[in-house]
Formats: sequence, C-alpha cells, structure tokens
Amino acid sequence: QSALTQPRSVSGSPGQSVTISCTGTSSDVGGYNYVSWYQQHPGKAPKLMIYDVSKRPSGVPDRFSGSKSGNTASLTISGLQAEDEADYYCCSYAGSYTPYVFGTGTKVTVL
Amino acid sequence: EVQLVESGGGLVQPGGSLRLSCAASGFTVSSNYMSWVRQAPGKGLEWVSVIYSGGSTYYADSVKGRFTISRHNSKNTLYLQMNSLRAEDTAVYYCARVRAGFDPWGQGTLVTVSS
Repeated sequence: QSALTQPRSVSGSPGQSVTISCTGTSSDVGGYNYVSWYQQHPGKAPKLMIYDVSKRPSGVPDRFSGSKSGNTASLTISGLQAEDEADYYCCSYAGSYTPYVFGTGTKVTVL
Repeated sequence: EVQLVESGGGLVQPGGSLRLSCAASGFTVSSNYMSWVRQAPGKGLEWVSVIYSGGSTYYADSVKGRFTISRHNSKNTLYLQMNSLRAEDTAVYYCARVRAGFDPWGQGTLVTVSS
C-alpha cells in the first residue's frame, strides 16, 4: 500500500485560505468516505481535525473544512492564523487487507 | 478524560525485541478499534497495526510477521510486541483509538534500533 500523495509544502498570509490535496486511488480515497486529517506541531502528537471526509470534531474551528472528489481529498484552512503553522497529514481507510494509509504530509507556513 | 499513555520504548540492538504498552483511561480498549502508528525521525506518519473490537488484527507489510498487536482487557492496555527489529524501525510509536478517525493519540514512545 503506497502512501497517499500530498504537496510537500503550502503557504499563505494571515487571513488567506490554503488548500492541501491528498491523492490516492480507487482502492482508498476514492473507494470510501473515510478520509481524516491531522495537524501536528513540532514535537507533539497528531491531532484529529477532520473525519469522514468533511466532519469536524468538537473543538476544531470551522475555519477547517474537508472535501473529496474522485481519488483526491482536500483540506482547506480559511482565515489562516499563525497557530495553523504545522504539518498536516491525511489518512484513508483502504480496505480489509491493510486497512489504513497515511499521506506523505504537508508543511503549512504562515508568511 | 479520555487518555492514552505509551511506555516501553528505548534503545535496542538490531535483531532484538521490545514490547510497547499503551494504557488507556476514560474508555474501554476492548470495545474499540485500537491502532499503532509510527513516525521515523524527520519523516511522516506510517500506520503500523490495528486490532478490532472483535479481535481481528492487521499489519502494515513492513512489519508483518515481526510485530504482534494485542490487548489485556482487565488492564485496559494495548501492546505491540516487536521482534527482529531493524534500524528502519527506529521511530516514535503512537497508539490511538480508531473511531471517527484516529483520536485520541498518546504522547508517543521513542524506539531506537542501533548497535
């Protein structure tokens, strides 16, 4: 099972929007509505930001939104803030053999 | 409060073994899907293994045949037995509950495989 493909980095100024893509195949991202997104600050454990493609856990700001089209999922951060600077990872369910696969990770920089 | 605390990491020689533990509080391990995810130094997240509430277990190809995931119901604890360790297994190992996504996560425990 190959890692899902994410851009290595994205950047934006405070208040702007950035979108991170997560490309897989019909065997993972395209086959199930079980894509989740994680934020990780340096030296910290990952934090769940989006699950089931577009649902936000309690406590996650509504500036974070998720979507999916075909084999590509996306995370959009609107109204970018300094504290959003972190690494972001997508994850998809991939069927019964090797059930989960993570993305390669994207570093978000707030200019 | 729902919480996970890993332990058991350390320095081990290539070919050696190590058992990681993940103690849960605030919920019942045996009633949930539980997983291990690792992160090599400076690298991304890699899913390692999962145990379903019914007891089924699954592994990444990179660890299949060497690692074993298990749980102790009365101790409410998840384990990862790691055998035949290789340098490329060096990573921070996280445990996580798998429900609607991986949440929560433990703080991680560092495993270093080196001679």
